[in-house]
Amino acid sequence: KAGVTQTPRYLIKTRGQQVTLSCSPISGHRSVSWYQQTPGQGLQFLFEYFSETQRNKGNFPGRFSGRQFSNSRSEMNVSTLELGDSALYLCASSLSGSNEQFFGPGTRLTVL
Amino acid sequence: GESVGLHLPTLSVQEGDNSIINCAYSNSASDYFIWYKQESGKGPQFIIDIRSNMDKRQGQRVTVLLNKTVKHLSLQIAATQPGDSAVYFCAENAGTYKYIFGTGTRLKVLA
Repeated sequence: KAGVTQTPRYLIKTRGQQVTLSCSPISGHRSVSWYQQTPGQGLQFLFEYFSETQRNKGNFPGRFSGRQFSNSRSEMNVSTLELGDSALYLCASSLSGSNEQFFGPGTRLTVL
Repeated sequence: GESVGLHLPTLSVQEGDNSIINCAYSNSASDYFIWYKQESGKGPQFIIDIRSNMDKRQGQRVTVLLNKTVKHLSLQIAATQPGDSAVYFCAENAGTYKYIFGTGTRLKVLA
């Protein structure tokens, strides 16, 4: 069974640009969560989607948004990039009703 | 998914010894906790979980202890092996479909 996949794995952008990251969950998993990981703040919850609906979100500005498609694949978008958005963005999927999350390898975003 | 942890506390343990990694959680209402392991180049990997109605749970070579009085979790790894070298995070269920992660501890296994 294939694991969670994230694309791209590495990305370099400049301030002011926007970026879209993609996550494909494990087949059959309908819940997808996104996290930002930085050395200073650790792993921080961004949002969680289930059946195309956002069920919870963390304390991030509105520049961070996401969506989920009918096939459970999810994207997150960051607009007007800032230097502080440089981070590893992790996606995790889980089965409905399960607490166990399976993480992807992440997308390393560098903002110059 | 590299391990992001330039500022992490580090625990160095001799191979074969037991490791104890500690974590303080923030919300006394949290009812579910998970320990994750993150190796270099990978995303976090589930190790073991525990619900708040328990104070101890054992897995294969790992044990999680929960002390709700002082909001403290620990992960014990028996007979630590080189493959256990990684960053370890605790996470608490901070509400519906939302988890708060601890800052992490880097475990280094010395040969």
